[in-house]
Parts: sequence; C-alpha cells; structure tokens
Amino acid sequence: TQLLEQSPQFLSIQEGENLTVYCNSSSVFSSLQWYRQEPGEGPVLLVTVVTGGEVKKLKRLTFQFGDARKDSSLHITAAQPGDTGLYLCAGERYGGATNKLIFGTGTLLAVQP
Amino acid sequence: EAQVTQNPRYLITVTGKKLTVTCSQNMNHEYMSWYRQDPGLGLRQIYYSMNVEVTDKGDVPEGYKVSRKEKRNFPLILESPSPNQTSLYFCASSLGTLPELGKETQYFGPGTRLLVL
Repeated sequence: TQLLEQSPQFLSIQEGENLTVYCNSSSVFSSLQWYRQEPGEGPVLLVTVVTGGEVKKLKRLTFQFGDARKDSSLHITAAQPGDTGLYLCAGERYGGATNKLIFGTGTLLAVQP
Repeated sequence: EAQVTQNPRYLITVTGKKLTVTCSQNMNHEYMSWYRQDPGLGLRQIYYSMNVEVTDKGDVPEGYKVSRKEKRNFPLILESPSPNQTSLYFCASSLGTLPELGKETQYFGPGTRLLVL
C-alpha cells in the first residue's frame, strides 16, 4: 500500500510559469522531506518540515506542511529549466526502534525554455 | 569530499548468479539504508542499519541480504537474483534518524542500475 500519493505524476510547463506539487496521505508523519532527483543521480534533500502548518522558503520554492501533518505541498514560482527533475516527498514515521522514511510516488517536472 | 559511493553503477546478470553491490560513506554516519526505485512506486526501503552489526528489514527485504561489519560499508547481497529484482538501487546514509537539526539529512549514492535476465 502506497502511503504517500503525489500529484501530478508528470508536469510539463514553460519557463516563468508557477506550479504546485501535492503530497497526500491518510497517515500522520513526524516530519516530511522534499527531495529533487536528476537523471543518473540520487535524490538530494531540499527541505525538512516538522511542525504542522509550517512554511519554509528556499529561493523560488515554498514548502508547506499541512496542519494535521498528513500532507504537504511544494510551490515553485517562475520556474526555470534548471528546476527540471523528479520531485519526491518522504514522510518520516515512528517504526519501533527507529523512524522510517516513506517515499511518495514522485512528480516528474519538465520546464521548457 | 563527503559522499556515498556505490559500485558497480551498472550491472547485467543472469537469474541465480549471486552478486554484491557495495556501498561506502566517508562521513562517519551511523545510519545506512538501501532502497530500490521502480517506476510508479517511488523509493522503497530494502534494509537499514543503525550501526555496526545492527541491521533490520525495511519494506521489501525478500531476496536481499546485507551486512554491516564496518561503519563505512554496507553491501547489498542478492544470493539468487531474479528478474523481478531488476531495478535502480540507492544506498543512503545519515547521522541519525530522528528529526533533530541536521541529523535527518540522508545522503544518497549515485545509484546502481541492475538488470537480471
């Protein structure tokens, strides 16, 4: 069972447009992370949100953690070709002796110049 | 340079032929983990290790083995590979697993693309 659903799965936009990627779950997470993965490389952490309702900004990227800590969104303003990549959300939940990271299905973003 | 390395990067093998994918990190991290990435399924954890000689199953451990004899190395072993293990594999490491400042950051290796015929 996939605990974290991302939407949309694919997104192709023009340079300068805005976009939002959603990460939804019926489970509560202690924290939520967003990664970006480029072809031939491993995911790279962009941000971690911990508190319900938390908003973090990273230049043109805005990340929000839902009040109930079950969902999150990533908003990109004025997208650029360098934003192209696979965006993954990952929720951390308590798993007994250690916390576990559950990854979402991913959103593949292509920004056309 | 702080990094996680994996070898090989690409591997084609046949069903039943034992193979090992190595993973090494130079950051003195305690926590290491193996994931597989498949289209539409995201990253799924295979095994993880909280420290030397401490390993545990992730969500999809069947058909895999791991060992953690040294802190820096965490090899993934496929004793008898099957075609359904064809996938992109990632090793990752972090200082810890709790959401303390900086500790939760996982560093991923470049990936190993495996094809089992």
